[in-house]
Amino acid sequence: AQKVTQAQTEISVVEKEDVTLDCVYETRDTTYYLFWYKQPPSGELVFLIRRNSFDEQNEISGRYSWNFQKSTSSFNFTITASQVVDSAVYFCALSEVESNYQLIWGAGTKLIIKP
Amino acid sequence: DAEITQSPRHKITETGRQVTLACHQTWNHNNMFWYRQDLGHGLRLIHYSYGVQDTNKGEVSDGYSVSRSNTEDLPLTLESAASSQTSVYFCASSESGGEETQYFGPGTRLLVL
Repeated sequence: AQKVTQAQTEISVVEKEDVTLDCVYETRDTTYYLFWYKQPPSGELVFLIRRNSFDEQNEISGRYSWNFQKSTSSFNFTITASQVVDSAVYFCALSEVESNYQLIWGAGTKLIIKP
Repeated sequence: DAEITQSPRHKITETGRQVTLACHQTWNHNNMFWYRQDLGHGLRLIHYSYGVQDTNKGEVSDGYSVSRSNTEDLPLTLESAASSQTSVYFCASSESGGEETQYFGPGTRLLVL
């Protein structure tokens, strides 16, 4: 069974729309960490956020926000007023004790923002 | 500014040749990682190191080796390149502690003919 599921393979929206990328994880650990990375068309992997399992507060950074809900094992990522530069593949990842803290990656969601 | 670099950025080689990909970080991070990224497989861990002289196998280590002689560098060697090793290779580093954030290099595109 996949430990990190990003069910949306590809999402396409028009610029200025809000978009939410889903991430559902599975772990038996009580201490774990969740991450989001962005991979733009240029190919590099850019770190966006790290959240530990004890901090369920939502995070906002400019147009980006993250909703962490332990009850549903989800760590969703929302982009408000999307822009063409947001076009990228976004990866969610899990780090847990059971896996010796190795990053367990989701398959990624390709986000296309149309002008 | 501290950074992580990889070289070469692009490499074409022939099957059977030995290839070494370089990774250098100036963050003084203890942890360093090598991943490969292929369509349909996402990111897969090849090898990792938690400090000088420490190396560990990851999920897809067959055909690859690493050595860590200093904090800054973790070169990845393909002993005898195979076409199945055509991929994009990413190096990453993080502070001590497995839960710390990994920061990635720009990647190396390797084509094995």
